[in-house]
Parts: sequence; C-alpha cells; structure tokens
Amino acid sequence: GAVVSQHPSRVICKSGTSVKIECRSLDFQATTMFWYRQFPKQSLMLMATSNEGSKATYEQGVEKDKFLINHASLTLSTLTVTSAHPEDSSFYICAAGAGEQFFGPGTRLTVL
Amino acid sequence: GEDVEQSLFLSVREGDSSVINCTYTDSSSTYLYWYKQEPGAGLQLLTYIFSNMDMKQDQRLTVLLNKKDKHLSLRIADTQTGDSAIYFCAERMDSSYKLIFGSGTRLLVRP
Repeated sequence: GAVVSQHPSRVICKSGTSVKIECRSLDFQATTMFWYRQFPKQSLMLMATSNEGSKATYEQGVEKDKFLINHASLTLSTLTVTSAHPEDSSFYICAAGAGEQFFGPGTRLTVL
Repeated sequence: GEDVEQSLFLSVREGDSSVINCTYTDSSSTYLYWYKQEPGAGLQLLTYIFSNMDMKQDQRLTVLLNKKDKHLSLRIADTQTGDSAIYFCAERMDSSYKLIFGSGTRLLVRP
C-alpha cells in the first residue's frame, strides 16, 4: 500500500514557540491531504483539508491563523502550530489521498 | 447530522471471535471503513465496504452492513494477541472525501 511519513514523530517545545510538522506521501502524489488531531483515548477529529496549490479548508472551530497549513507540492503538506500553548498538546495525524486515505504514523506534540 | 458511535471496550480470549459494532446516522454515507490503531501509531486501513453491499469477507475479517439500521460490524475470526489495538469505524460522506470517525473500540485479547 501507499506510504505516508510524518516528521518529527515526537516534539517537545516551550509555550509560545511555533512547531512545524511535515507530512509526505512517499510513493504517490497527493493533491489532497488531511490533518487530524487526536486527544488521549479519543477519536480523530478532522482539522483541515489541505489542497495542493490552493488554500486549506478548515473545519468549524479550528483557528486557521493558529494552525497554518501549506501544501506546496504533490508530496508534501506542512502543519505549523503557531504560538503553541499546553492545550495544543496532542497527537497530530496526517492522511493523504482522496478516495482512500493513507495515514501517517502521527506526531506527538507536547507543549510545556 | 454526523455521528458515529462505538462501544468503548471489548475483551476476548485468544482464538475466539471478536465482534466490534458501530452505528452511524448519516444515510448518505458511500463507504464505511474499519481502521486499526496500535499504541502511539497512526491508523492502518483494515477493510472497507461500499454502502450497497451487505457483507464483505477478507481472510479473518468479515464486515456486515445493515443499511436500514445504519449498523456496521467487524468480526475477527481466531483473534490473536497481535489483534489487541483500538479499532475505529469511519464513514465517508457522499459529497466529499471527509471521514467521520467513531470513538474507537479498544480490543484486548487475553492469552
């Protein structure tokens, strides 16, 4: 099956700093990528849909100025958490593909 | 509205069958999926079923869909300790690629 990678797998940062998470489709091109957030022992919540070459579509309640998404190429989407706060600590998972979504391994963000 | 529900926990003995249930509310779903998540990892697609199908079998996995009752189930035959994980059902809306996930069922397989 298709492979999606995320980098970093784990990051710890200080409150107020910005963190960038990369999502790459390794063996296929993806015009559409998705960013999910998962709290401990909870389900995945879609944050935004990332479209190559155009603006991301954010779900209701997700601050677009806080969670910046860039999908500059057909194999890379980035999520930047700006001015991170402890409540942003979570597991962030990306997925690539439109008809069938292939999920990355996730990035655990801890904001101190 | 969009709502997908699952029971939170299931414990079975190794070698028994496991049945994980899921209910959804949106009748316009086109595809329904089952994903597996191991601790600290992303999601692995196990299987999916198109909304006009009643059943799909793939090796140890059997998916049953009752569209009238909006009920989906995943049966794992001969459950192994390696099957211990969280299982998510998800529905895909007819009009988009958006997936709505259930709350997840934690499956524990006892030796």
